[in-house]
Formats: sequence, structure tokens, C-alpha cells
Amino acid sequence: DAGVIQSPRHEVTEMGQEVTLRCKPISGHNSLFWYRQTMMRGLELLIYFNNNVPIDDSGMPEDRFSAKMPNASFSTLKIQPSEPRDSAVYFCASTLGPIINSPLHFGNGTRLTVT
Amino acid sequence: DQQVKQNSPSLSVQEGRISILNCDYTNSMFDYFLWYKKYPAEGPTFLISISSIKDKNEDGRFTVFLNKSAKHLSLHIVPSQPGDSAVYFCAASADTGNQFYFGTGTSLTVIP
Repeated sequence: DAGVIQSPRHEVTEMGQEVTLRCKPISGHNSLFWYRQTMMRGLELLIYFNNNVPIDDSGMPEDRFSAKMPNASFSTLKIQPSEPRDSAVYFCASTLGPIINSPLHFGNGTRLTVT
Repeated sequence: DQQVKQNSPSLSVQEGRISILNCDYTNSMFDYFLWYKKYPAEGPTFLISISSIKDKNEDGRFTVFLNKSAKHLSLHIVPSQPGDSAVYFCAASADTGNQFYFGTGTSLTVIP
């Protein structure tokens, strides 16, 4: 089992540029989550998908953020245009079945730095 | 608004002693609680969970205690080992919902 795979591991970009983060969930998992980790707020949920359908995107901070899940094995989180305050570690996680019985499996994250 | 709170950003403990990490929550609908452990440059990994029908769950050196009336849970690590040094996140979810709420984490350092 390869686990949740995220790419890139590190991304450094200039303010105003478009950034795309990628995630491959564990095969067979039907729920996928994007989190952002900051010192002040810990792990914040940005959006989650169930069976490839976005269920709750209320955590997406602004219209500059968008996420897609075109199929069960791939998801992207896009920031356009990026701003310095977007600098954080972004985690993707997946799980199978009802949330109540299924811990999340996290990828190793993408550390984003916007200068 | 943080529904899950970890009020201690850091904790240092001597090797062999007990580590106690605390977590408070505000939403009375939460009925499933988890602890995750995170090493630098890695994603959080699941450690132990407890449902609201229990007040204690053990797994080896790790025990989670739940006090529903106080809306408080704690993670006990006995004995603590240097390899336990990591950031620990508390998380909660409700049966009626379908997402996890995380705390801000507590950084544990176990001193050899």
C-alpha cells in the first residue's frame, strides 16, 4: 500500500503566480480531504470530497482557492493568484467508509512558500 | 472558532516518565475522538481513538481517557520514549457530520 501521495513536496513561488498541488488517495478510499496546517489554527479543513463529489468547501478561504477531483485516484488544489499569506503546509488525506469508523490517512504534505 | 482545543503548545518529559497530553472540545455532538502523531516533514499518522460510549481505550503504552461531562480527553504515554517526541493532534467528529475537527497540536519532547 503506497499510502496517500502528494506532489510536489515543496513549492516556492512568487506572489501572483498560480500554484497547483496534487494528491493521489489510497486506492479504494472514497473520501478525500484537503487540510492546511498553520501555527495559529493547526489543521484546517479546506474541502472534502465523497465519491469524487465536493461535499463541503466552506473551509476554502477565498475564491482564489479551487479544488477538483476528476476521478477516484486524483485530486488537485489550485491557488490563483497566490499570496504570501497562503504559505503553509497543505495536506491531503483519504479514508474509506463512514467517517465515524475510519481514521484519516494523510500524505506527507506540500510545503508552500509564496514570496 | 476552534471546536477542538489543545491549550499546551509544548510539553517536555523525562524518558521513562508519563506524558499526559490534554484536549478540550466545545461541541457536545462530537462522539468520536482520535489522536494523531506527526513527525517533522511527514503527515500525521493515526495513533489511537475512542468513541463516546467508552471512557478509556488502551493500546500498548498509549491510553486515551474521555470525560464527556467535562468535554475533555487526554492521551497518556507510559513509559515515554525519545521516539515519542513529535507533535500530537487531537481530533473529533460527530456521527451526524462527516468531517474531523483538529486541535492546534502539542509538541512533545522526551528527554533521554
